[in-house]
Amino acid sequence: DGGITQSPKYLFRKEGQNVTLSCEQNLNHDAMYWYRQDPGQGLRLIYYSQIVNDFQKGDIAEGYSVSREKKESFPLTVTSAQKNPTAFYLCASSTVGTGLGGELFFGEGSRLTVL
Amino acid sequence: GQNIDQPTEMTATEGAIVQINCTYQTSGFNGLFWYQQHAGEAPTFLSYNVLDGLEEKGRFSSFLSRSKGYSYLLLKELQMKDSASYLCAVRNYGQNFVFGPGTRLSVLP
Repeated sequence: DGGITQSPKYLFRKEGQNVTLSCEQNLNHDAMYWYRQDPGQGLRLIYYSQIVNDFQKGDIAEGYSVSREKKESFPLTVTSAQKNPTAFYLCASSTVGTGLGGELFFGEGSRLTVL
Repeated sequence: GQNIDQPTEMTATEGAIVQINCTYQTSGFNGLFWYQQHAGEAPTFLSYNVLDGLEEKGRFSSFLSRSKGYSYLLLKELQMKDSASYLCAVRNYGQNFVFGPGTRLSVLP
C-alpha cells in the first residue's frame, strides 16, 4: 500500500535536546512538506522540498532543519533553538504539477512534548 | 500577504445541511482544497476546485468563485461522524499549500 509513514508517533524531549522526526513516502511524489499544528489552530508550513537536495523555508522555519537526500525521505530536526516545540507535526507529499491528483497526502503525524 | 479566513466554530443538527465558507487572498492560485480532520488525526482530502462552479461528491459539495476569492463546502444529511474540523487550503504559484485556521463543526443529535 502506498502512503506516508511518520515516526515516532509520540515523542517526549527535555529542554535543550535536538530531536529528529522521520518521514518516508512510497508514492513517488516529488514534493514533500512539514507542517506544525497547535491545539485548535490550522496548519503552518515549516519547510518544503520540491526536488532532491533542495528545500525552502516556510513561514515558521526558525529552530527547525531538514534534509532531502533521497526522494522518499524528508526528516525534520527540531533543534534546541525552537522556543515552543510542543506541537503536532504533520509530514505531507504531493505531485509538483497542478490539476486533480495534486492534493496533499498526509502521514499520521508525530506529537512532540517538551518536558 | 497570504490570508485564508474561515469561521472558527459551527454547530448543526443531525440530518441537516451546513455550509462552511472560506475566503482567501493568496500569491497566485492553483486550486482550492478542502480537508476533514478528526481530533488527534491527520487531515484527509475531501474535494478540489480549480474552475468556478460546484463539484459534487456524494453528501459533500464544494463551490468556487475565483473572482470573489470565495469557496464553500456543503455537507448534506449530516451524521454524527461528520463532527470534525474542516480545513480550507489554497495551492499558490509557489506550489505551496496555504491553510486556513479550520472550522470546528459539531453535529448534535
